[in-house]
Amino acid sequence: GAVVSQHPSRVICKSGTSVKIECRSLDFQATTMFWYRQFPKQSLMLMATSNEGSKATYEQGVEKDKFLINHASLTLSTLTVTSAHPEDSSFYICSAPQKMAEAFFGQGTRLTVV
Amino acid sequence: GEDVEQSLFLSVREGDSSVINCTYTDSSSTYLYWYKQEPGAGLQLLTYIFSNMDMKQDQRLTVLLNKKDKHLSLRIADTQTGDSAIYFCAEADRGSYIPTFGRGTSLIVHP
Repeated sequence: GAVVSQHPSRVICKSGTSVKIECRSLDFQATTMFWYRQFPKQSLMLMATSNEGSKATYEQGVEKDKFLINHASLTLSTLTVTSAHPEDSSFYICSAPQKMAEAFFGQGTRLTVV
Repeated sequence: GEDVEQSLFLSVREGDSSVINCTYTDSSSTYLYWYKQEPGAGLQLLTYIFSNMDMKQDQRLTVLLNKKDKHLSLRIADTQTGDSAIYFCAEADRGSYIPTFGRGTSLIVHP
């Protein structure tokens, strides 16, 4: 099946620093990728839709200046958490649809801000 | 309220069948999904069903859809300890194909 690779799987950073998370589609091209955030024992919350060659579309309540998304190529989207704070600690997951109605997910990134 | 609802926990004995239930509210839902998430990992697409189908079977997995009641279920036959995980129900409409997820059902399989 299709593979989506997310890196890093875990990161610990100091408060005030920025962290970049990468999402790659390994064996297919993805003009669109999705970024989710998951709180403990909660559902996945869609943060934004990453669009290759254009600006990302952010969901209501998500700060675009805090969560910078860049879709540099047809196989790579990055999410940068800028000036991270402890409340940004969470599990971030990306997904990419390979074909209509089938979205494949990365392994997720556990971000801890200390 | 939530668009997709699931019970939070299910505990079964190894070898028994598991049935995980889900209800959704969006009548325009076209695709209904079941994903599996193991601890600390991303989501694995298990199966999905189109809204014009009643049932889909794939090896040990059987998905039943009652469109009238907006009820979806996932049955896992001969449940194994390796099936212990969180199972997410999700729905998407034809326009976006972006899944909306339930909160997940934590399946615990006892030896």
